[in-house]
Amino acid sequence: AQKVTQAQTEISVVEKEDVTLDCVYETRDTTYYLFWYKQPPSGELVFLIRRNSFDEQNEISGRYSWNFQKSTSSFNFTITASQVVDSAVYFCALGPLRGGSEKLVFGKGTKLTVNP
Amino acid sequence: GAGVSQSPSNKVTEKGKDVELRCDPISGHTALYWYRQSLGQGLEFLIYFQGNSAPDKSGLPSDRFSAERTGGSVSTLTIQRTQQEDSAVYLCASSPTGQGHADTQYFGPGTRLTVL
Repeated sequence: AQKVTQAQTEISVVEKEDVTLDCVYETRDTTYYLFWYKQPPSGELVFLIRRNSFDEQNEISGRYSWNFQKSTSSFNFTITASQVVDSAVYFCALGPLRGGSEKLVFGKGTKLTVNP
Repeated sequence: GAGVSQSPSNKVTEKGKDVELRCDPISGHTALYWYRQSLGQGLEFLIYFQGNSAPDKSGLPSDRFSAERTGGSVSTLTIQRTQQEDSAVYLCASSPTGQGHADTQYFGPGTRLTVL
């Protein structure tokens, strides 16, 4: 069975702090995709990143960076110099890269609050 | 361009009534997904459409739930004889292909269903 665990239910930081959101996944598939989505207070999920299991290179996009480690089944997300606008619930998700159901399996999310 | 749209944005109904939730996917997207998000929970997969057919209905919680998609576009999720435990945000997503791998899914704003 596939499972995504986001152990941090809520995180609160002060603006400009760095913060890392953890994601650990379980799958029997040897190839798969991993995703991060952001859900701001408005409610709409916003796609942030998709990585495939072949590519373990870390990725940086502005203040966001992602650390994918297949050996520990983790796909952690770091926000550098956090801002109030980063306050949201962040979801990590897992999906098939080849065959199988196309559905995504989501973690329960981490609620990030960035205080001014 | 236009994103995924859902209607209504909010629906309050009485226990035992039927409700219909509508989703308009991004134009040209062949795959469409329905998820449910209950308070404090992650996203729970309900059903996936490829064109007008539903290869995966494994997430529908009971036979009171059904969905259809017509013209490879609009989808309707119907809940019959609603129960209080059906109260949740129902999210729709679409992706360009969704065939055989976890394509990036783009989400609508959701319909908040409250069953009194």
